[in-house]
Amino acid sequence: DTGVSQNPRHKITKRGQNVTFRCDPISEHNRLYWYRQTLGQGPEFLTYFQNEAQLEKSRLLSDRFSAERPKGSFSTLEIQRTEQGDSAMYLCASSFGTSGITGELFFGEGSRLTVL
Amino acid sequence: AQKVTQAQTEISVVEKEDVTLDCVYETRDTTYYLFWYKQPPSGELVFLIRRNSFDEQNEISGRYSWNFQKSTSSFNFTITASQVVDSAVYFCALSSVGFKTIFGAGTRLFVKA
Repeated sequence: DTGVSQNPRHKITKRGQNVTFRCDPISEHNRLYWYRQTLGQGPEFLTYFQNEAQLEKSRLLSDRFSAERPKGSFSTLEIQRTEQGDSAMYLCASSFGTSGITGELFFGEGSRLTVL
Repeated sequence: AQKVTQAQTEISVVEKEDVTLDCVYETRDTTYYLFWYKQPPSGELVFLIRRNSFDEQNEISGRYSWNFQKSTSSFNFTITASQVVDSAVYFCALSSVGFKTIFGAGTRLFVKA
C-alpha cells in the first residue's frame, strides 16, 4: 500500500510530556499538510510544506508545536509540554501541486493523541 | 479572509431519498479550488471531487452530483437515491492561492434503511 502512513496511530501521554508524530506521504507528492481534528469539527489547518520548506504555519499554533520535513520526504510533528487541550486527532495529508494548481489531499488514518 | 460554511450540521434521510448538502464559501481570490471530502465512520477522509473557479460546469458521477454557482458562492453536493453506505460526515473545502486547504465544519449524513 503506497498511501499516506502515520504513526503512532494512538498516543496516550501525561500532561507536560513531549510527543512526536510521524507522517510518510505518498512518494511522488511534493506537498505535505498537518491538520488537527476534534470531535464534531472539520480538520483545522496547522502547517504545510512544499518539499522541505515550511510555507505556512497557522497563527493558532502555539510555540509548543513544531514540524519538520527534512529532505522533503517524511515529516514529524512535535508537541512539547502537552496540555489536555491538545487531545485531538492529528491528520497528515499529501498532495501534488505546482504554482497555481492545487491538487486534492490524500489523508492518512491519523494519530489520535490523548493527554491525561 | 477565507471561509467555508456548511450550515447543515446533521441530516437524516431514509434510504432512496435524494439529499443535498450545502456549502457556501468566501474568498477574495479569483483563482481557487473547491473540494468535497467524505469521512466515513472508519475515520479516514476520502476525496470526492475538485473544481476550479473557472469551471462552473456541473458534474455528475454516478449517484453524486455537484452544483457550483459563483454568483452565490455555493458548491452544493447532491446524493441521488441515497444508500446506507452513504452515511458519513461530508466536508466542503476551499484552497486559494496560498495553497493551504481549509475545511468547513462538516455535515453528518444519516441514511436509514
